[in-house]
Amino acid sequence: EAQVTQNPRYLITVTGKKLTVTCSQNMNHEYMSWYRQDPGLGLRQIYYSMNVEVTDKGDVPEGYKVSRKEKRNFPLILESPSPNQTSLYFCASSLGAGGFSYEQYFGPGTRLTVT
Amino acid sequence: LAKTTQPISMDSYEGQEVNITCSHNNIATNDYITWYQQFPSQGPRFIIQGYKTKVTNEVASLFIPADRKSSTLSLPRVSLSDTAVYYCLVAPSPYGGSQGNLIFGKGTKLSVKP
Repeated sequence: EAQVTQNPRYLITVTGKKLTVTCSQNMNHEYMSWYRQDPGLGLRQIYYSMNVEVTDKGDVPEGYKVSRKEKRNFPLILESPSPNQTSLYFCASSLGAGGFSYEQYFGPGTRLTVT
Repeated sequence: LAKTTQPISMDSYEGQEVNITCSHNNIATNDYITWYQQFPSQGPRFIIQGYKTKVTNEVASLFIPADRKSSTLSLPRVSLSDTAVYYCLVAPSPYGGSQGNLIFGKGTKLSVKP
């Protein structure tokens, strides 16, 4: 089944404790992206990756890191989480260059709480 | 990137046709218009995409006037299960179809009543 998976689905952590949210897709997509969603603010893009080893900042990259060492994986890293990073996070993927479609496939989401 | 403006919310009744309009006054020549649907606590789901005139698929139609400064998502005969947030997304598609930074905005919350 074609899908985007994220782990963990729920996470409660404390300020300053490094964490990683994993994202994996099995569709051989080139484009991958991370979003956060907060009440009243809609979906905001954190980082995106056009292909392996190619990443770029979205609208709200502060406090986040990403890496794209393999095509299928795009982990989101919070080196020193703070309470304002409490949010619902989504990973997404799409065909990317040559696909000529903005059809993104979203993961199930990760609800992160930083206390 | 073109900024989009949508109504914050809309109400409808089952069986009615719903039209949600998105304004994108500064759309660029190579921008495409895409609509997504999102249910609570789920990731958005692609509905439809278009460049100009009219596009129709099994779930919706997308109407884009000649000046492309707005677009209208049309949902025929909505049901309770169409209650969701709908996002209009405008993004460039230069040669090669690269995507880059995508801006979703705040969306339109559609409530369908029995």
